[in-house]
Amino acid sequence: DTAVSQTPKYLVTQMGNDKSIKCEQNLGHDTMYWYKQDSKKFLKIMFSYNNKELIINETVPNRFSPKSPDKAHLNLHINSLELGDSAVYFCASSQDRGLAGSWSTDTQYFGPGTRLTVL
Amino acid sequence: GQQVMQIPQYQHVQEGEDFTTYCNSSTTLSNIQWYKQRPGGHPVFLIQLVKSGEVKKQKRLTFQFGEAKKNSSLHITATQTTDVGTYFCAGQLNNAGNMLTFGGGTRLMVKP
Repeated sequence: DTAVSQTPKYLVTQMGNDKSIKCEQNLGHDTMYWYKQDSKKFLKIMFSYNNKELIINETVPNRFSPKSPDKAHLNLHINSLELGDSAVYFCASSQDRGLAGSWSTDTQYFGPGTRLTVL
Repeated sequence: GQQVMQIPQYQHVQEGEDFTTYCNSSTTLSNIQWYKQRPGGHPVFLIQLVKSGEVKKQKRLTFQFGEAKKNSSLHITATQTTDVGTYFCAGQLNNAGNMLTFGGGTRLMVKP
């Protein structure tokens, strides 16, 4: 069974559309993430989310919003898609350990990725 | 700007040669992780280093964490074609909650 799964694998859409990418993890992890990997392979964190806290990378446009119906799912919704949104989006999860008010992140398990192409 | 830098960006080696990628952070890291991404694949966790000066080995791979916890390296001895891929370091910055900051990656190509 796949630990972290994403759908769809490929997404081709027109500029201005709204789309969602779904992510599910069956590892029982506390925290889930969304990353964007551009054509140069740079991997940038977009969001970190657990049932207590959403941390947003300040560089992420507010057209992007994570939605978590439950602990095992973190979907990514994108409004008004732009050409520059074309990239591979990876979901990931980890079991984090809180240590005296700070967080220590454990191994991150990545999903297979969703290749988004905006035309 | 990017806080975790990785060099080189690309490396071509002949099979059997050694390979090293270096990772440098502008700030002290709580810990550093290394991931490998095969072409067309997703990042896969290799190892985590936590202690200052730590050295860990996995078969032909040797990972080091600097004394100041600002730099790290991955060394592969006698590369094989199965080593092909992009190697990323990822650091947890002290003020970044539980988020990792990834380096730009080093893409390794191995000629048989």
